[in-house]
Amino acid sequence: DTGVSQDPRHKITKRGQNVTFRCDPISEHNRLYWYRQTLGQGPEFLTYFQNEAQLEKSRLLSDRFSAERPKGSFSTLEIQRTEQGDSAMYLCASSPGPPWTGELFFGEGSRLTVL
Amino acid sequence: AQTVTQSQPEMSVQEAETVTLSCTYDTSESDYYLFWYKQPPSRQMILVIRQEAYKQQNATENRFSVNFQKAAKSFSLKISDSQLGDAAMYFCAYRRGNYQLIWGAGTKLIIKP
Repeated sequence: DTGVSQDPRHKITKRGQNVTFRCDPISEHNRLYWYRQTLGQGPEFLTYFQNEAQLEKSRLLSDRFSAERPKGSFSTLEIQRTEQGDSAMYLCASSPGPPWTGELFFGEGSRLTVL
Repeated sequence: AQTVTQSQPEMSVQEAETVTLSCTYDTSESDYYLFWYKQPPSRQMILVIRQEAYKQQNATENRFSVNFQKAAKSFSLKISDSQLGDAAMYFCAYRRGNYQLIWGAGTKLIIKP
């Protein structure tokens, strides 16, 4: 399967712990995105990479959040000192381009539960 | 600021019937792109259909078509001959800039056998 893969699919942690999510995009896609989705809502943009460069970071991403994409391949999203409000589905997507048609190829998401 | 509104939290339709999902948006731009994405239960989000604002012709993909009313800023999705596999959350989205999508809250579509 050459789709976008995310790991882990589910993570339960205690408040205050650090968690890290990994995303492996489609290999030929140079663009990578992280979104957060809470129940009953659409995805919220978190950050965007073109190759290894992080070109945009949402104000939703507090200082406790950091994302990397070393060598322009896989990406990691780390949340430090987790809070209950961080509980959500974290979606990774990739796309080819530019130019960008608007189509995103999503992974199945990593669901975070903070107790 | 661009916003996307889906006023129907949930819709249901009988299998083989037609259903229309509503979406309105707000923008001051004249050229833009709109999308419908589908998110089946426990599966990844996929693109259903895309509309470019400068094209007056409504986009169609097999059983899926849109009714794009630019002046009214309305972008509805029509699903014909509904199938059980169409059950999912449907999200309307607006492309902002070169890498962002602004999403509606979604409509849950239930297909009754």
